[in-house]
Amino acid sequence: QQQVKQSPQSLIVQKGGISIINCAYENTAFDYFPWYQQFPGKGPALLIAIRPDVSEKKEGRFTISFNKSAKQFSLHIMDSQPGDSATYFCAASIRYGNKLVFGAGTILRVKS
Amino acid sequence: NAGVMQNPRHLVRRRGQEARLRCSPMKGHSHVYWYRQLPEEGLKFMVYLQKENIIDESGMPKERFSAEFPKEGPSILRIQQVVRGDSAAYFCASSPYRGADTGELFFGEGSRLTVL
Repeated sequence: QQQVKQSPQSLIVQKGGISIINCAYENTAFDYFPWYQQFPGKGPALLIAIRPDVSEKKEGRFTISFNKSAKQFSLHIMDSQPGDSATYFCAASIRYGNKLVFGAGTILRVKS
Repeated sequence: NAGVMQNPRHLVRRRGQEARLRCSPMKGHSHVYWYRQLPEEGLKFMVYLQKENIIDESGMPKERFSAEFPKEGPSILRIQQVVRGDSAAYFCASSPYRGADTGELFFGEGSRLTVL
């Protein structure tokens, strides 16, 4: 119940294409869904986050789509660039929770 | 404002030795989280501390691992009698707010422990 399942494990996209990463959860108490981006040798950094009261949130080229009934959420990266090549983690937390539960990560490579 | 500082960045220990990992949170942040990342796995929660208090240690192994966040100084993650399975990257994150859902967790660059 505390798991967040992330797919795909790795993804190769052409420059200018759309990158899509999916996550699914079981715990209906989860109330906060952030995405973190991690470059090699660095710590993760918050990219974008959503709460279940909205179905979509967009920040620049990054969009979170959230489907509460299906218990799924996804990250879309529009016009993907080589600089977007990184590992992306979805995560979830319950309201006032003490921890973020992370997915296993997706290694994205954008080919120029 | 300096980010979350972790040291050492790389640490090599032989089986049975002790490892001490230090984390200085961002200025003004009194909440610290420790996560462990194994190769090709996500980040696994270990412990959440506030100054001088352990709030949640549900992710800490029952033996050999301990954490503290004293009133003065950095947070310390201590691993006694290390085994090869402890080899991983250990990340510290800090926040000015109570609760993992109240805003961004700011991560350090990690400490990479190798046990020979």
